Amino acid sequence: DGGITQSPKYLFRKEGQNVTLSCEQNLNHDAMYWYRQDPGQGLRLIYYSQIVNDFQKGDIAEGYSVSREKKESFPLTVTSAQKNPTAFYLCASSIWGYSNQPQHFGDGTRLSIL
Amino acid sequence: DAKTTQPNSMESNEEEPVHLPCNHSTISGTDYIHWYRQLPSQGPEYVIHGLTSNVNNRMASLAIAEDRKSSTLILHRATLRDAAVYYCILRRDSNFGNEKLTFGTGTRLTIIP
Repeated sequence: DGGITQSPKYLFRKEGQNVTLSCEQNLNHDAMYWYRQDPGQGLRLIYYSQIVNDFQKGDIAEGYSVSREKKESFPLTVTSAQKNPTAFYLCASSIWGYSNQPQHFGDGTRLSIL
Repeated sequence: DAKTTQPNSMESNEEEPVHLPCNHSTISGTDYIHWYRQLPSQGPEYVIHGLTSNVNNRMASLAIAEDRKSSTLILHRATLRDAAVYYCILRRDSNFGNEKLTFGTGTRLTIIP
């Protein structure tokens, strides 16, 4: 079955440490996205990528970095510069350029601070 | 970006229809109306979308007002598995703006057995 796989499901970060969240899709979608969700809140866009080797900042990109070396993969690094990283992180993908197409989401990674 | 307004919470009895409202008074002509739902500790799941006409699929129906300033998601016969947070989102064509979904806080739907 096609879909989006996020790993790990739970992740703990120590102070001053960078951590990387994995996102893989086998839907052959060009576009991929990272969102952050805080308790009781909606999703906020961190980064998105329309195509391999290209990505754009979303609304809350500070303290995060991404790469898009392969169409299938869009890893997110939460750097030590992100002072409040505890949140639920969601990866999504879609066909680019058609606003009548849905975004498909993974099951998320919950990041906590030790 | 055009915003949507939804009630914070709603309750419905099991096996009865549910009507979830959404206001989007600043919608533009190129905005599609999308609905997603999110179960606890899971990613959002696409439910339905529309532009001008009412839409039906196996999960739900979407009724869009003639002036497009509001819409209603209809679950015809609610089950306990429909308990979730429902998000109404406007999605703009990438030729006219950022290709992203702007999530509000949604409506938390509780189903009463």
